[in-house]
Amino acid sequence: AQSVAQPEDQVNVAEGNPLTVKCTYSVSGNPYLFWYVQYPNRGLQFLLKYITGDNLVKGSYGFEAEFNKSQTSFHLKKPSALVSDSALYFCAVRAPLKAAGNKLTFGGGTRVLVKP
Amino acid sequence: EAGVTQFPSHSVIEKGQTVTLRCDPISGHDNLYWYRRVMGKEIKFLLHFVKESKQDESGMPNNRFLAERTGGTYSTLKVQPAELEDSGVYFCASSQPPLAGSHEQFFGPGTRLTVL
Repeated sequence: AQSVAQPEDQVNVAEGNPLTVKCTYSVSGNPYLFWYVQYPNRGLQFLLKYITGDNLVKGSYGFEAEFNKSQTSFHLKKPSALVSDSALYFCAVRAPLKAAGNKLTFGGGTRVLVKP
Repeated sequence: EAGVTQFPSHSVIEKGQTVTLRCDPISGHDNLYWYRRVMGKEIKFLLHFVKESKQDESGMPNNRFLAERTGGTYSTLKVQPAELEDSGVYFCASSQPPLAGSHEQFFGPGTRLTVL
């Protein structure tokens, strides 16, 4: 069975400082990994994905994530956080095998609060 | 391009009543998924349609939940009769066929269901 852990319920950071949101996963085979963001009263918005290739992937709004196979991690990062980055962030994994289906398994979410 | 839309945005019903949620996927997306987030916990997979066929319904909690996708376009999720534990946010997502090379799922804004 596949699973995702986001160990921090909330991350607080000052505007302009680096932001990191942690994610570790468990899945059979090479994973497909995703980050989504949910702003207040909005749906989930896709940020970025890792399917194959370079371990460092870049996404929307200046976010990036690094895939680390040995540590089974896919941490989300942003070099300089903005107040507008305050939101709920979800990490998700999907097994690449056709038999496993397309379903995403999500972590519990991490609330990011960026203070001015 | 219009995104995934869901109706209604909110629904408040009493225990024992019936509620039907609707999802309109992005045009051309064969894959349609239902997820839900209950009591602020993880977002959980419910089921996956490919066109009008149920590809994976392993996440459906019980037979009070019925999903349909007649004609392979929009989908409905009916809860009958609703129970208190069904309260939560129901998300719909859609994605392109795998051969299109895109693996991310695009989410709608969700329907917040409250069962009293």
